[in-house]
Amino acid sequence: SYELTQPPSVSVSPGQTARITCSGDALPQQYAYWYQQKAGQVPVLVIDKDTGRPSGIPERFSGSSSGTTATLTISGVQAEDEADYYCQSAGITDTYVVFGGGTKLTVL
Amino acid sequence: EVQLVQSGAEVKKPGDSLKISCKASGHNTTSHWIGWVRQMPGKGLEWMGIIYPRDSYSRYNPSFQGQVTISADRSISTAYLQWSSLKTSDTANYYCACGYCGRTSCYFDFWGQGTLVTVSS
Repeated sequence: SYELTQPPSVSVSPGQTARITCSGDALPQQYAYWYQQKAGQVPVLVIDKDTGRPSGIPERFSGSSSGTTATLTISGVQAEDEADYYCQSAGITDTYVVFGGGTKLTVL
Repeated sequence: EVQLVQSGAEVKKPGDSLKISCKASGHNTTSHWIGWVRQMPGKGLEWMGIIYPRDSYSRYNPSFQGQVTISADRSISTAYLQWSSLKTSDTANYYCACGYCGRTSCYFDFWGQGTLVTVSS
């Protein structure tokens, strides 16, 4: 079955830039989406269609995709950004939704 | 914006049946798909399946096909997730989420608050 691979954890200090990667063979053909899930809360879409930022999402969140890797970048990380981040995409055929394993972002 | 309100937490025994719900309200809900996502305790997100309430067309993750049933009642803007015989391994938080599907992919832009299902003897 199709898989998306994320690093289990990323740690940064406040004000630094955090980059979380997501690797998958179908990413050249499929968009990547990113969700933020803070502890005990509901997931929130923070990046859609590789680079889009939904209404209400701070400008410090950005996305990019190149080849088989999509990247979520958080510039000027704040303490409130500490959360689990999940990438989501799809396979080429009949795998409509796949989530990566999630990356725990720790703000030191 | 769409709001999704899910039914309340459930405590069940192995072998019990269960149907949980997700009611949509807000702007343009009829054009959205409704998906279900499982999150087991301390674990990540797993997509279970998705339905288009306008015509009840559904797609399932092969891992959940035959284990659950997804349905919808368009007249009351409500989607459902159903089990005929629960297992202890079904203990999890279940989210509904609304979004869009293309020919080969879907994504979710609004999420419900989650329904915690606990299955224990």
